[in-house]
Amino acid sequence: RKEVEQDPGPFNVPEGATVAFNCTYSNSASQSFFWYRQDCRKEPKLLMSVYSSGNEDGRFTAQLNRASQYISLLIRDSKLSDSATYLCVVTSAGKLIFGQGTELSVKP
Amino acid sequence: NAGVTQTPKFRILKIGQSMTLQCAQDMNHNYMYWYRQDPGMGLKLIYYSVGAGITDKGEVPNGYNVSRSTTEDFPLRLELAAPSQTSVYFCASSQGTTDTQYFGPGTRLTVL
Repeated sequence: RKEVEQDPGPFNVPEGATVAFNCTYSNSASQSFFWYRQDCRKEPKLLMSVYSSGNEDGRFTAQLNRASQYISLLIRDSKLSDSATYLCVVTSAGKLIFGQGTELSVKP
Repeated sequence: NAGVTQTPKFRILKIGQSMTLQCAQDMNHNYMYWYRQDPGMGLKLIYYSVGAGITDKGEVPNGYNVSRSTTEDFPLRLELAAPSQTSVYFCASSQGTTDTQYFGPGTRLTVL
């Protein structure tokens, strides 16, 4: 079983749609969780950290469910500029483990 | 403040050639990392360093070597290039092991 698993997609959605990504992790001792964004042929960049109580940043909401060991990212009112690959990242044994990413394509 | 810089941006190597991928950061981060990313795949950790003079293997270290003589620089060495090493290589740095990692723009390497 992979340490971090994501649905690779692609998710094709129209502008204005709400889309949700899920990610599961295997190490119950993981303490820190993040979502990174990676544009085509570019480096990954931090989108947001994920806190136990859930957190929101504008149109983006991240949730953590420790009991079920999954993390989610909700994007509301999708924009064309949201098209990218979203990487779920979890700490394990003092290192960051990256999921393979979920590709999102927002269409006009 | 340039963040993390990598050179070169692109490189084509012949099988058996050697090269060094350069990485530098100006954020005074102790932790530095090298990843490779194959098409449609996630990032795989090659090597990492927790400070000058200290390096350790990641998930896929075979065929690579690193050194960390200064806090700023963390070069990655390919000794005998193989087609399986065709990939995009990202260098990253962070304040602590579980903190946000900042990535360089990547080096696209093709081995023919």
